[in-house]
Amino acid sequence: QKEVEQDPGPLSVPEGAIVSLNCTYSNSAFQYFMWYRQYSRKGPELLMYTYSSGNKEDGRFTAQVDKSSKYISLFIRDSQPSDSATYLCARGYDYKLSFGAGTTVTVRA
Amino acid sequence: EAQVTQNPRYLITVTGKKLTVTCSQNMNHEYMSWYRQDPGLGLRQIYYSMNVEVTDKGDVPEGYKVSRKEKRNFPLILESPSPNQTSLYFCASSRILATDLHYGYTFGSGTRLTVV
Repeated sequence: QKEVEQDPGPLSVPEGAIVSLNCTYSNSAFQYFMWYRQYSRKGPELLMYTYSSGNKEDGRFTAQVDKSSKYISLFIRDSQPSDSATYLCARGYDYKLSFGAGTTVTVRA
Repeated sequence: EAQVTQNPRYLITVTGKKLTVTCSQNMNHEYMSWYRQDPGLGLRQIYYSMNVEVTDKGDVPEGYKVSRKEKRNFPLILESPSPNQTSLYFCASSRILATDLHYGYTFGSGTRLTVV
């Protein structure tokens, strides 16, 4: 079983819609979570970082962690065509990061 | 500008011909790592380094070597490349927080390697 499972999509939404991305993880040790965004032909860039249950907001982005169900989510409000990218969830423990396979999102103008 | 620089961006080589992909960061990060990215498999860690002269295997280290002689550089070496090492490779670096927390990677732009 992979440490982090992520629905690969693809996901296509109209501009202005809420994008909802989800991952599940399998380990219960102390850990932290990140979301990365990867544009085509680019390296991933860090979007959100959290190590506690609950919600963390940054502009149009909200990261949610539910440790009881081992579920992490990313919500993008008022989505824009520039949000079209692949989104990667990651789970960290000690100094190791395990990544999901990524969900490709297209926001249609 | 804070960045991780990988070279080359694209490389086509033949089976068995040794190659090195260079990686350099200008942020004085302690932690550096190499990943490969394959469709449907996501990013998988090859090797990582916690500091100079300290390296360790990741999840898929077979067929790769690394070295960390200087803090800023972390080259990836393929001694005898094979076609199954055709992939997109990323170097990444990070600060390490005192509480064993990974601060989040800065990634390079990637090296697309094709082994024929």
